[in-house]
Amino acid sequence: NAGVTQTPKFQVLKTGQSMTLQCAQDMNHNSMYWYRQDPGMGLRLIYYSASEGTTDKGEVPNGYNVSRLNKREFSLRLESAAPSQTSVYFCASETGDYQPQHFGDGTRLSIL
Amino acid sequence: RKEVEQDPGPFNVPEGATVAFNCTYSNSASQSFFWYRQDCRKEPKLLMSVYSSGNEDGRFTAQLNRASQYISLLIRDSKLSDSATYLCVGDTGRRALTFGSGTRLQVQP
Repeated sequence: NAGVTQTPKFQVLKTGQSMTLQCAQDMNHNSMYWYRQDPGMGLRLIYYSASEGTTDKGEVPNGYNVSRLNKREFSLRLESAAPSQTSVYFCASETGDYQPQHFGDGTRLSIL
Repeated sequence: RKEVEQDPGPFNVPEGATVAFNCTYSNSASQSFFWYRQDCRKEPKLLMSVYSSGNEDGRFTAQLNRASQYISLLIRDSKLSDSATYLCVGDTGRRALTFGSGTRLQVQP
């Protein structure tokens, strides 16, 4: 079972470069999420999509954009990468309110 | 004050021991809670869901106390493989979970 798949697994960027993190789920879940996790901190929500065609800001949206391409796919874009965006990024999906989220195995992003 | 607070640990326990973690939450609108397990630099994996007063799954027991606004996780007969960080999560149903920073457990031989 694939579950939630994230690509790439690792990426190194230079300051100012742009890139898109991809996420796809095969569980027919309605909601999808992007988090970042920094050392010693909990997961912080960047953006989420409650359903296909909708996106909303989370706790730390600055410097990011998202696209909910279809029900399966939810991408995260860094337009102009900054060292402060060095982090581990997790994508997650869930069926709806009060249900647990299922996570992809993360993208480790370093910005020099 | 964080919405979900956990003791970061680490909790160092011998194999076979019983260990308990507490997690407090401040948002009384939280309807459900989850415990996730996270191994070093890997994705969080769901350990247990808590919708009412508690839940039990093998060696793991979760208790919810809404009056005092805390959730606990009890692990009995600890195994080396239980070493990980345990994340407490509250769900207010507003399309987002609130994660604690995690409690680190190290089970020693």
